[in-house]
Amino acid sequence: DIQMTQSPSSLSASVGDRVTITCRASRGIDNYLAWFQQKPGKAPKSLIYAASSLQSGVPSKFSGSGSGTDFTLTISSLQPEDFATYYCQQYNSFPYTFGQGTKLEIK
Amino acid sequence: EVQLVESGGGLVKPGGSLRLSCVASGFTFSSYSLNWVRQAPGKGLEWVSFISTSSSNIYYADSLKGRFTISRDNAKNSLFLQMNSLKVDDTAVYYCASGTYLGYWGQGTLVTVSS
Repeated sequence: DIQMTQSPSSLSASVGDRVTITCRASRGIDNYLAWFQQKPGKAPKSLIYAASSLQSGVPSKFSGSGSGTDFTLTISSLQPEDFATYYCQQYNSFPYTFGQGTKLEIK
Repeated sequence: EVQLVESGGGLVKPGGSLRLSCVASGFTFSSYSLNWVRQAPGKGLEWVSFISTSSSNIYYADSLKGRFTISRDNAKNSLFLQMNSLKVDDTAVYYCASGTYLGYWGQGTLVTVSS
């Protein structure tokens, strides 16, 4: 199975900051990487697929990059509604696997 | 508007069975693969199962060891998950999610396995 490792596991930031979350795959997954946002008590929401493609309706403040084993999610100009938990997920091969999550908190 | 609505969760004793359903609307259901994903209380996301558009390709998480069966009915825009021999560790919110890269998610249904 492909292991997905996110860093950091938690992150404190202020409104207006720009933050970057990293996701590393245990072996190459080309660009078959998605990012999700989840708020407490809510279902996950798709942000990015194919490593860098923005899901319909997602603001351009979210951006993704990477290929192979190393990927990043960048969120610019943080707003209160952006504080949530973020997950990466590989869909290169079965079983699909998620990272452990990165909790983004307000400083 | 794309909607996925899960149902069928509840409280069940260890060793029992449940059948989850997910009804979809707002998109061409038969053109999309589908997934089940679960989240134990306070934990991260865990992919459970995948089914292709025509049900010809089906995959499961290794941890399920043959206890769960995914199926779909394209005529009824519905996805199912038959869960047998349930364990306490299966306690989670179960989500259905559409497409290869899980573009849309339902609100989830809670399954509690407890004696």
